[in-house]
Amino acid sequence: QVQLVQSGAEVKKPGASVKVSCKASGYTFTSYGISWVRQAPGQGLEWMGWISAYNGNTNYAQKLQGRVTMTTDTSTSTAYMELRSLRSDDTAVYYCARDPRDTAMVTDGYYYMDVWGKGTTVTVSS
Amino acid sequence: EIVMTQSPATLSVSPGERATLSCRASQSVSSNLAWYQQKPGQAPRLLIYGASTRATGIPARFSGSGSGTEFTLTISSLQSEDFAVYYCQQYNNWPPTLTFGGGTKVEIK
Repeated sequence: QVQLVQSGAEVKKPGASVKVSCKASGYTFTSYGISWVRQAPGQGLEWMGWISAYNGNTNYAQKLQGRVTMTTDTSTSTAYMELRSLRSDDTAVYYCARDPRDTAMVTDGYYYMDVWGKGTTVTVSS
Repeated sequence: EIVMTQSPATLSVSPGERATLSCRASQSVSSNLAWYQQKPGQAPRLLIYGASTRATGIPARFSGSGSGTEFTLTISSLQSEDFAVYYCQQYNNWPPTLTFGGGTKVEIK
């Protein structure tokens, strides 16, 4: 079955970086894009950005431009999200989720998400 | 940025009753609207896309309607497993952005 398995919880100090992984299985990885969404404790959902697993094209939420980088490794069907210069308000659960469109035909990540990973808790604390 | 406003924030419903959740967009998103269900400690689950199309495996008691700026998610007869938080999400690509509503918590009355 289609599955996205995320890496384990992280604790980081302010100013550090974190890199979260998302390993896909059950489908052809390069046929779809991956979005990243985060959720601060007790809060709603915030879209962070998207990457095409076909060609690596990205688009990021304006708020995070310059601090976030999304990449993929097609040899292992894994997507990565790196967030730099961490602050306390980056404390959240980070989700990866699949964009169900044929990613060879699209250039942006503004779509719904049909399969989600279980989430990775990132805690930023001194 | 398109702002999505969900109401009410909390909805108290008895099992077996009908629940109606609303989502309003600050400008038209056509039918580019999805609904998700999230239970405590779990990831969101896609329920509806295209404003009214049920995702794979979603029971028929969930239905979505609306277009433009006003949308509704209806759960026809609430089951115990339906008590959760529900989020709407717009994916209209102009202006280029993707935003979620603040959520509606459906709790047991």
